[in-house]
Amino acid sequence: EADIYQTPRYLVIGTGKKITLECSQTMGHDKMYWYQQDPGMELHLIHYSYGVNSTEKGDLSSESTVSRIRTEHFPLTLESARPSHTSQYLCASSRRASGRNEQFFGPGTRLTVL
Amino acid sequence: GQQVMQIPQYQHVQEGEDFTTYCNSSTTLSNIQWYKQRPGGHPVFLIQLVKSGEVKKQKRLTFQFGEAKKNSSLHITATQTTDVGTYFCALPEGNEKLTFGTGTRLTIIP
Repeated sequence: EADIYQTPRYLVIGTGKKITLECSQTMGHDKMYWYQQDPGMELHLIHYSYGVNSTEKGDLSSESTVSRIRTEHFPLTLESARPSHTSQYLCASSRRASGRNEQFFGPGTRLTVL
Repeated sequence: GQQVMQIPQYQHVQEGEDFTTYCNSSTTLSNIQWYKQRPGGHPVFLIQLVKSGEVKKQKRLTFQFGEAKKNSSLHITATQTTDVGTYFCALPEGNEKLTFGTGTRLTIIP
């Protein structure tokens, strides 16, 4: 079982609030990712990181920001939440190596913005 | 990024029937991965295929990589209720990212 954790698991907040979704992994993986997924739909990459102090935007435009100050920690922040941000946010990590590079996913954070 | 089509989008089968999902790419792939996501859960890695024409089996699941390395399939023999979920293929983008397919949602009629 992969050791990747996300908190909170569920969050209901009002419009305009600032929130941070936490993601931590204990596998020493260099690469980490944030995906947004609506129920039953495909995963959309919103941010990723190759390693410490490296962050990149993904394919889906997002109003969120991320930071990677430590290898194990990759938090995602929404400065001002809106109802359109309601979704599930999945964090994942993988080794930075050639060959098999499967991604390990956290349990996700289900965000509802009222 | 590219959009990766999987067909069908949904599949409802009687328990015991077989199931197949297909994943198609417009470009030649270095490898392809498959993931399963149970309802309410998160994606879990199933397998990675690398070689042209490769066929791999995991119990009742058979994975195939096309000869041209542009498509792949996942076949489940004699489905069980534990097979319920959404199956995603995932294609590499460089060495750092994956593009996930649109997914096939499998439901089982007991």
